[in-house]
Amino acid sequence: GQSLEQPSEVTAVEGAIVQINCTYQTSGFYGLSWYQQHDGGAPTFLSYNGLDGLEETGRFSSFLSRSDSYGYLLLQELQMKDSASYFCAVGDSSYKLIFGSGTRLLVRP
Amino acid sequence: NAGVTQTPKFQVLKTGQSMTLQCAQDMNHNSMYWYRQDPGMGLRLIYYSASEGTTDKGEVPNGYNVSRLNKREFSLRLESAAPSQTSVYFCASSERGYYGYTFGSGTRLTVV
Repeated sequence: GQSLEQPSEVTAVEGAIVQINCTYQTSGFYGLSWYQQHDGGAPTFLSYNGLDGLEETGRFSSFLSRSDSYGYLLLQELQMKDSASYFCAVGDSSYKLIFGSGTRLLVRP
Repeated sequence: NAGVTQTPKFQVLKTGQSMTLQCAQDMNHNSMYWYRQDPGMGLRLIYYSASEGTTDKGEVPNGYNVSRLNKREFSLRLESAAPSQTSVYFCASSERGYYGYTFGSGTRLTVV
């Protein structure tokens, strides 16, 4: 079967660093992506890892280990506007993504 | 640059009614998707179209049909709405099927 596991909720303080983990089990693998969704909004693309290692985009970094079927999203210098849900997603074929259930991040002052 | 446009944004249906959700993208993307999002369950794929002229079932296709009208447009039809189809529906498009999806703003559907 196919499954993606990520924590349901994470709380952190403004200015801190937070890591959101994702483990996956899928029939195929075409990379791990991360999406952000604010309440009432649409998901927006954050990052993509096709190969092992770390990808950095400003305050956000994403990591992938294909041998461990594991990845994470790292958010640094947290801001209040980072409060949102974060979804990991795996390309299980070259044509589609399967999404995890999402991690709700609450940033406290 | 509109991106992905969904209509309508809100809809209330009675059980048994039918309706079509419309989606159009102006980015010349090959692939288009319909997802539904329920509280605590993330995004579940209903149907997708890898390229113009093709459609395939996703994780939860029962009760839905789709039409890829042309490269720009991908519609989702509920033939006989049920309360279990109350959800937020998102259309998305992508140049590469596994990467960099652009989502529409969603349709909030309530079936009573």
